[in-house]
Amino acid sequence: NAGVTQTPKFQVLKTGQSMTLQCAQDMNHNSMYWYRQDPGMGLRLIYYSASEGTTDKGEVPNGYNVSRLNKREFSLRLESAAPSQTSVYFCASSEFRGGAAEAFFGQGTRLTVV
Amino acid sequence: AQSVTQPDIHITVSEGASLELRCNYSYGATPYLFWYVQSPGQGLQLLLKYFSGDTLVQGIKGFEAEFKRSQSSFNLRKPSVHWSDAAEYFCAVGSKSDTGRRALTFGSGTRLQVQP
Repeated sequence: NAGVTQTPKFQVLKTGQSMTLQCAQDMNHNSMYWYRQDPGMGLRLIYYSASEGTTDKGEVPNGYNVSRLNKREFSLRLESAAPSQTSVYFCASSEFRGGAAEAFFGQGTRLTVV
Repeated sequence: AQSVTQPDIHITVSEGASLELRCNYSYGATPYLFWYVQSPGQGLQLLLKYFSGDTLVQGIKGFEAEFKRSQSSFNLRKPSVHWSDAAEYFCAVGSKSDTGRRALTFGSGTRLQVQP
């Protein structure tokens, strides 16, 4: 099983360029997330989608937009990339039953903005 | 708001030695707690989780963790470390709420180095 698949794995952007990070999960999970990982800061939540058709901001949403295209896919868009958005981005999914669930992570997208 | 503190940024142990990684959480009720491991260039893999019941939980790769409510801690342990355990370890706390944000909140991580 593929689990959570992210594309691309690596990307270099120039300041001001836009791009979309793609994420798909094949576990039929309702909830999906985008995190960014920076050295010494752990993972910080950018946006999440509790279920198909809903999205909400996390801790660090500025400069990003998301789309929950369907139950499987959750994309993250950078409209005008900035060097501060250089990071490793992780998509995750989970299924809440009884109020708790572990998250399953993709392999990450390493983004550099120059 | 929930939060997680991992006080040790970097730990070095010798192969075969025991290991304890510290994790303290802040949450208003009984939390859901997780430990994840990340090898270089990889995603995060779940080591173990605590939802309820027995406060000592067993995970994969010989790891265990103990939930101590009085200390708001969920420390990760392994009796004998292997060179392949070198990685970054993240503690996370989850919300029980069926409404609002359900995403996990992560600590800043502890990087484990294993000396031969």
